[in-house]
Amino acid sequence: EFVLTQSPGTLSLSPGERATLSCRASQSADSKYLTWYQQKPGQAPRLLIYGASSRATGIPDRFTGSGSGTDFTLTISGLEPEDFALYYCQQYGNSVWTFGQGTKVEI
Amino acid sequence: QVQLQESGPGLVKPSGTLSLTCAVSGDSISRSSWWTWVRQPPGKGLEWIGEISHSGTTNYNPSVKSRVTISLDKSKNQFSLDLTSVIAADTAVYYCAKDATSSGKWYFDYWGQGILVTVSS
Repeated sequence: EFVLTQSPGTLSLSPGERATLSCRASQSADSKYLTWYQQKPGQAPRLLIYGASSRATGIPDRFTGSGSGTDFTLTISGLEPEDFALYYCQQYGNSVWTFGQGTKVEI
Repeated sequence: QVQLQESGPGLVKPSGTLSLTCAVSGDSISRSSWWTWVRQPPGKGLEWIGEISHSGTTNYNPSVKSRVTISLDKSKNQFSLDLTSVIAADTAVYYCAKDATSSGKWYFDYWGQGILVTVSS
C-alpha cells in the first residue's frame, strides 16, 4: 500500500513568511504523478502543482514544488492572506491514487 | 471552461445504496481522459474512490472496491457513482473531478463543488 505522510500537520506562520510543506512517500514515487492541491473551507481542492514541480495555470510563482523519489516539498515564499488553507499532496501507484493527510497553514 | 456538477440524495439510510451523478459541461466524457470520484468525511482528508476512462475502463480504491461501481452515460455526458451497503463512515462530501495529462504528467484539474451525503436512519 502506497502511503503519503505530510508534515507538519499544522504550520503557524505570519503573512510574508516562507512556508515549507513536506510530503514523504512510503516507497519511491514517480514524479510525474506527484501533485499538490490547496483547499479552503467549504471549497473543492484547487490544483497548484503537478508533476512535482510544474505550476498549474494561474498559480502565482510564490508556489514552488520540488523533490523526487520519496521526498517532495511545496514551498510558498512570502505568504499572502489568501494562502492560509489546507494543502494536500497526491500520488498514483499500483492503479490507485493516494492523498496525504494534509497540512494546515494557519496564521 | 470545463464544469462538473454533482447531484443526488443528501441522505441515505444505512445498508442502502448511495447513488450520485456528475454532469459534465465544456468537455465530452466520450472523447478522452479519465473521470474520478473523491470523498472527504467531515473534518477529515481526501480519499480517492475510483475512476473511469472515456472507454469505460475502471479503477477502484481497494478500500471500497467490493461496494463501488462507476459508470458512464455518454448520451447525457455524465458519469455516476454507486456505493452499496453504506454505513455511517461513508458520510462525506463527494466530489467528482476530471483527470488530465500534460507532457506525461497526470493530475485532477477540474472539480465539482461537492455534495454532502449523510448516512443515517
